[in-house]
Amino acid sequence: GENVEQHPSTLSVQEGDSAVIKCTYSDSASNYFPWYKQELGKRPQLIIDIRSNVGEKKDQRIAVTLNKTAKHFSLHITETQPEDSAVYFCAASAGRGSTLGRLYFGRGTQLTVWP
Amino acid sequence: DTEVTQTPKHLVMGMTNKKSLKCEQHMGHRAMYWYKQKAKKPPELMFVYSYEKLSINESVPSRFSPECPNSSLLNLHLHALQPEDSALYLCASSQNLPGTGADEQYFGPGTRLTVT
Repeated sequence: GENVEQHPSTLSVQEGDSAVIKCTYSDSASNYFPWYKQELGKRPQLIIDIRSNVGEKKDQRIAVTLNKTAKHFSLHITETQPEDSAVYFCAASAGRGSTLGRLYFGRGTQLTVWP
Repeated sequence: DTEVTQTPKHLVMGMTNKKSLKCEQHMGHRAMYWYKQKAKKPPELMFVYSYEKLSINESVPSRFSPECPNSSLLNLHLHALQPEDSALYLCASSQNLPGTGADEQYFGPGTRLTVT
C-alpha cells in the first residue's frame, strides 16, 4: 500500500515568517494530495489540495507544490499568524479500484507560530 | 451545505455497555467513512461505505459494527469496548462519483469516546 512520510514533526516560527512542511509518497499511482489543518479538539479541516496534473496551487497565503517525478509535495504558508498554529496532516490517494479514494495520512506536523 | 454532523459530541461508556455513534451529511455524497484518531496521531481508517455498501473494513474488531441505513446516515454500533478504544471517532464523506478519481473528504466534528 501507499506510505506517506511527513517532516518535520514539529515546527516553530515567528509571526510573519514562512513555514514549509514536506511529504513524500511511495505509490506512483497516487494522484490526489490534500492537506488538513487540525486545531486542538477540532475536526481535520481541508485547507488545500492538488491533483497530479498540476504542479502548484495557491490560495492566498497557502500554496502546495507537487513533484511527481520525485514523489514529494510540500505545503507553504507565508506571513504566518498565531491562528495558523495547529497540527497539519498531508495525505495521498490513488482514488481507484478497491482503494476507493482512501487517504493515506502522514504523521502530522505541529506548527507553532509565536507572536 | 458542506457540513458533516456527528452525535453525540462526548460519550462515556463502561466496558459492558452498548452505544451508537451517528453521522449525517446532506451533500449528496455517496461515500462515507469512519476513522479513529488518538491524540497527536493521524486519523486511522476503520470502514468505508460506498453507495450504502460496506466496501472497506480495515480489520476492525467485531465490537465495532458499522451500519449505513441510507445515503445520508452512517452509524457505528459499539459493544463490549476496551479502555484502549478511547479516542476521537471521526466520520467523513466524499462525493465518490463513478469513474472519477479521489475527491475531497469532509470530516465531521467527531465523538470523543471514553471507555471506563
